[in-house]
Amino acid sequence: DAKTTQPNSMESNEEEPVHLPCNHSTISGTDYIHWYRQLPSQGPEYVIHGLTSNVNNRMASLAIAEDRKSSTLILHRATLRDAAVYYCILRDPTMFRDDKIIFGKGTRLHILP
Amino acid sequence: ETGVTQTPRHLVMGMTNKKSLKCEQHLGHNAMYWYKQSAKKPLELMFVYSLEERVENNSVPSRFSPECPNSSHLFLHLHTLQPEDSALYLCASSQDRGNSYNSPLHFGNGTRLTVT
Repeated sequence: DAKTTQPNSMESNEEEPVHLPCNHSTISGTDYIHWYRQLPSQGPEYVIHGLTSNVNNRMASLAIAEDRKSSTLILHRATLRDAAVYYCILRDPTMFRDDKIIFGKGTRLHILP
Repeated sequence: ETGVTQTPRHLVMGMTNKKSLKCEQHLGHNAMYWYKQSAKKPLELMFVYSLEERVENNSVPSRFSPECPNSSHLFLHLHTLQPEDSALYLCASSQDRGNSYNSPLHFGNGTRLTVT
């Protein structure tokens, strides 16, 4: 299985942008990069995903390196409600029913008021 | 509201008890999952059902028994558990699109299980 590496924790000030990195040096050509986050006392929630091009949605932006060996989740203006554990995972849509959706330890993001 | 409802939210049971966790999804999805989240460990995939057929059993002990009677409901039957089985049990659903399997997972808020 392709693996991802993320920092254990990060801090950011409220109302500032946050850049959460993820390394996936063994990514295959068919792997999509997915991000989830888990707020305290809740299940994980989907944030964004992409393949090669940068992606934007109402929650965040995803910047993918040209060689696809790393990516960055960008929260444009952090709020206290963004304090959570952020998971970067790889999924291969061609691996029908073998797509195990493995979560690592993620990055715990602390937001300072 | 995530569209995936888990009950109960909290459960305390003895090692000789039998209990069941329930999950219901209101999203029209056709795949459902059980995950286990222990303290300070990553989420562990336990079971996957697609179109009510079990397609993944990730080496889970037989004291955990899943049941998927239809695409909206998923159960996890528990019996003779051990204290180390205490964890947050999370249910998720997604839309399995056959050979284009990439749809996001939608999680419930979990059942916090304590085995005494």
